[in-house]
Amino acid sequence: AQSVSQHNHHVILSEAASLELGCNYSYGGTVNLFWYVQYPGQHLQLLLKYFSGDPLVKGIKGFEAEFIKSKFSFNLRKPSVQWSDTAEYFCAVNVVTGGGNKLTFGTGTQLKVEL
Amino acid sequence: EPEVTQTPSHQVTQMGQEVILRCVPISNHLYFYWYRQILGQKVEFLVSFYNNEISEKSEIFDDQFSVERPDGSNFTLKIRSTKLEDSAMYFCASGVGSSYNEQFFGPGTRLTVL
Repeated sequence: AQSVSQHNHHVILSEAASLELGCNYSYGGTVNLFWYVQYPGQHLQLLLKYFSGDPLVKGIKGFEAEFIKSKFSFNLRKPSVQWSDTAEYFCAVNVVTGGGNKLTFGTGTQLKVEL
Repeated sequence: EPEVTQTPSHQVTQMGQEVILRCVPISNHLYFYWYRQILGQKVEFLVSFYNNEISEKSEIFDDQFSVERPDGSNFTLKIRSTKLEDSAMYFCASGVGSSYNEQFFGPGTRLTVL
């Protein structure tokens, strides 16, 4: 069964700092990869997704992620964070073949951006 | 913009009671899901539903759980006899199609079992 690891559980940054959140998955086949964000008091919403093609994907609000197949990684980046980026970030994987549609989530990373 | 909605936002129940969590998926979506998140743990898949039947379920989704789409709009999760360990945030999600499509999540129902 696939699993997803997010190594940073809590991250605190100052505004304008750069962000990189790690995500690794454990399945060797074809996967779709997602980053979801949950702002305080709100529901999970999609930041970005990778299905195929260019391994560098751009999402909403200036976020991007790079799929590195050889490292089984899909790290999330943002060059300059804002206070409004304070939220919890979840990496998720969906196995394309024989895995159904279910998403397997990482444990989440709580990001706090200080002014 | 269409959204997935869930009711209630918070449900408190006694151990052994039945609860029904309700979801209204986005109207043109065909795939429906329930996930849960126990406090401090990861979001876990429970069940997926397509074409009026369960298409996949996890080990968590035992005989105490059932899902139903009683009409054209609602999608419900029933827990027959709640246990303390069922306390969690339950998320409903819906999607247009297969694994290549995004799943849209509702705001969640916080279930507290006393």
